[in-house]
Amino acid sequence: KAGVTQTPRYLIKTRGQQVTLSCSPISGHRSVSWYQQTPGQGLQFLFEYFSETQRNKGNFPGRFSGRQFSNSRSEMNVSTLELGDSALYLCASSRGGIESGNTIYFGEGSWLTVV
Amino acid sequence: TQLLEQSPQFLSIQEGENLTVYCNSSSVFSSLQWYRQEPGEGPVLLVTVVTGGEVKKLKRLTFQFGDARKDSSLHITAAQPGDTGLYLCAGASYNFNKFYFGSGTKLNVKP
Repeated sequence: KAGVTQTPRYLIKTRGQQVTLSCSPISGHRSVSWYQQTPGQGLQFLFEYFSETQRNKGNFPGRFSGRQFSNSRSEMNVSTLELGDSALYLCASSRGGIESGNTIYFGEGSWLTVV
Repeated sequence: TQLLEQSPQFLSIQEGENLTVYCNSSSVFSSLQWYRQEPGEGPVLLVTVVTGGEVKKLKRLTFQFGDARKDSSLHITAAQPGDTGLYLCAGASYNFNKFYFGSGTKLNVKP
């Protein structure tokens, strides 16, 4: 079956702009979680959505937001971009919630460069 | 401070050598997962360990979950250049209801 699909793969934005990233989970998976990966901080959890509700949230400012649609597809939005937001943004899906120990599967990520 | 501490951070070895990567925490995890990530790509799941004391083998890779479910190890036998990559452990903590990643171990296997 198809894996987790993220779009776009690469994008360049200017400081102060906003960006929306998209994630299509594996069919049948109801949980979508988002992560930021940078060389300095490693992989950090942003938030998780399950059945259109945000269930868990990491320690990121309110500029980072997301939503999930009824078909489980999810979007992540970052407003007022800063240079430090340049990172690989990864989406992962799982059948159940991440706190239940369900296996999560990652997409290939969206590379965001803020200039 | 990372909830999951991985060691070593970097490992450069010759083809054919054995190695072990450790993932430790003071918290109890419902399960731990190991991933391998190549540059510019998303992490790819290698294994999930769920039961304390569990040992899983995947060809030359052996994964162990500690009895207390606070730590895990990944052992690679006769490493090959194709094993090169970033190895990450990750898990859902009972206490904090969030998903955490270790800092990662960068492995380079030289031919």
